Amino acid sequence: AQSVTQLGSHVSVSEGALVLLRCNYSSSVPPYLFWYVQYPNQGLQLLLKYTTGATLVKGINGFEAEFKKSETSFHLTKPSAHMSDAAEYFCAVTATSGTYKYIFGTGTRLKVLA
Amino acid sequence: EAQVTQNPRYLITVTGKKLTVTCSQNMNHEYMSWYRQDPGLGLRQIYYSMNVEVTDKGDVPEGYKVSRKEKRNFPLILESPSPNQTSLYFCASSLADNQPQHFGDGTRLSIL
Repeated sequence: AQSVTQLGSHVSVSEGALVLLRCNYSSSVPPYLFWYVQYPNQGLQLLLKYTTGATLVKGINGFEAEFKKSETSFHLTKPSAHMSDAAEYFCAVTATSGTYKYIFGTGTRLKVLA
Repeated sequence: EAQVTQNPRYLITVTGKKLTVTCSQNMNHEYMSWYRQDPGLGLRQIYYSMNVEVTDKGDVPEGYKVSRKEKRNFPLILESPSPNQTSLYFCASSLADNQPQHFGDGTRLSIL
C-alpha cells in the first residue's frame, strides 16, 4: 500500500525567501514521485518528477526536489519565492510498473507575502 | 494543441438523475484516470484505465462507472448521483505510468 503525507496545509513565505514544502511517502515498491501545482480555477500542472536515476531533480519555475530513500521524503524547494508562486502544491506517488494507481497528498497552499 | 477536454465544466443536478461527464484526449495516451478533489482531502483517484477495455478501481470507486471503448475517450458515469458526490472532478491522461499526467480543466458537479 502507498500513502503520501504533506506536512502543513498552509505555508507562508516572504517574497525572496526560501520555499520548502514537505512530502513524505510510504511505498512497498520503488515509487515514482511527482509534484504538481494548481493555480486557482485550473487543473494541475507538472512541476517535476522522480522516476529513476539522479535523486535531485529540477523542474519548472526554479523548483527542485530531492528523493531521499532513507527518509522516504521528496521535499520541494525553491531558493527565492516569487509572488507568482502562490498556488496549491500536491505531491503524488505511484508504484513502479504494473499499475496506474496514484496517491496524492492533501496539498499545501503556498502564500507569498510582499 | 495537446489537451484533455472535459464536459460539462459545471453541472447542477438532482439526486438520482443519471449523468455522464465526458473526457477526451488528443495525445494518443494509453493511460487515463478520473479524480475527485475535495477541500482538505486533495485528489482521490476514482477509476483508471491502462488501455482500451482495461479499467480498474482507484481509492473511491463507489457510485461511479467508467468505460474505455476507444483510446481517446474515458467517460465517467454517475448512475444515481447523491449529494456526497458533489465535488470537483478531474480527468487526466499520460503516455505511460512513469510519465506525467496531463489534466483537464475540471468539472464542478453539484448534486442537490
